[in-house]
Amino acid sequence: AQTVTQSQPEMSVQEAETVTLSCTYDTSENNYYLFWYKQPPSRQMILVIRQEAYKQQNATENRFSVNFQKAAKSFSLKISDSQLGDTAMYFCAFIGTASKLTFGTGTRLQVTL
Amino acid sequence: GAGVSQSPSNKVTEKGKDVELRCDPISGHTALYWYRQSLGQGLEFLIYFQGNSAPDKSGLPSDRFSAERTGGSVSTLTIQRTQQEDSAVYLCASTPRGGAYTGELFFGEGSRLTVL
Repeated sequence: AQTVTQSQPEMSVQEAETVTLSCTYDTSENNYYLFWYKQPPSRQMILVIRQEAYKQQNATENRFSVNFQKAAKSFSLKISDSQLGDTAMYFCAFIGTASKLTFGTGTRLQVTL
Repeated sequence: GAGVSQSPSNKVTEKGKDVELRCDPISGHTALYWYRQSLGQGLEFLIYFQGNSAPDKSGLPSDRFSAERTGGSVSTLTIQRTQQEDSAVYLCASTPRGGAYTGELFFGEGSRLTVL
């Protein structure tokens, strides 16, 4: 079974600074996909970024980028130029051949002035 | 509406009662997931429906939990003889076939269940 671990329950960052959220996972599969989702207080889950395991290049979406280390089974999210609107829960997620997304326990990010 | 709709948004019930939670997926989405979100527990997979295939029920925590999806559209999650540990937010998500691999999982706003 796949597991996803987020070891940082809470993080805080000042506006305009950079923050990195950690995620590790465990799988025996070679082809899979990894995601970061954002859940603001409204509870609506929003896809932030996606990484395909067979691609070595790290995914980037505007201020969001990942550091994907396949051998280490690590998938961290870097948020640059943090904004107040980035305040949310962030979930790392994995999907392999079983077609179901496995989520981590989440990291609560607070962006402060 | 264009999004995934869940009802009720909040439900308070007494221990031992049965509850039904409803999910209306986006029209045309063949796959539907139920997750449970408890404080500090992340999102726990419950069940997955894909088209007419047999559902993946591997995440249902006990036989008090069941779900069905009628006509490939609306889904109902039923919890019988509720216990206090069932208190959580129950999230539903739908996606086009294969959409989960692109991250195109569209979530509802969830149903918050409180068991007294």
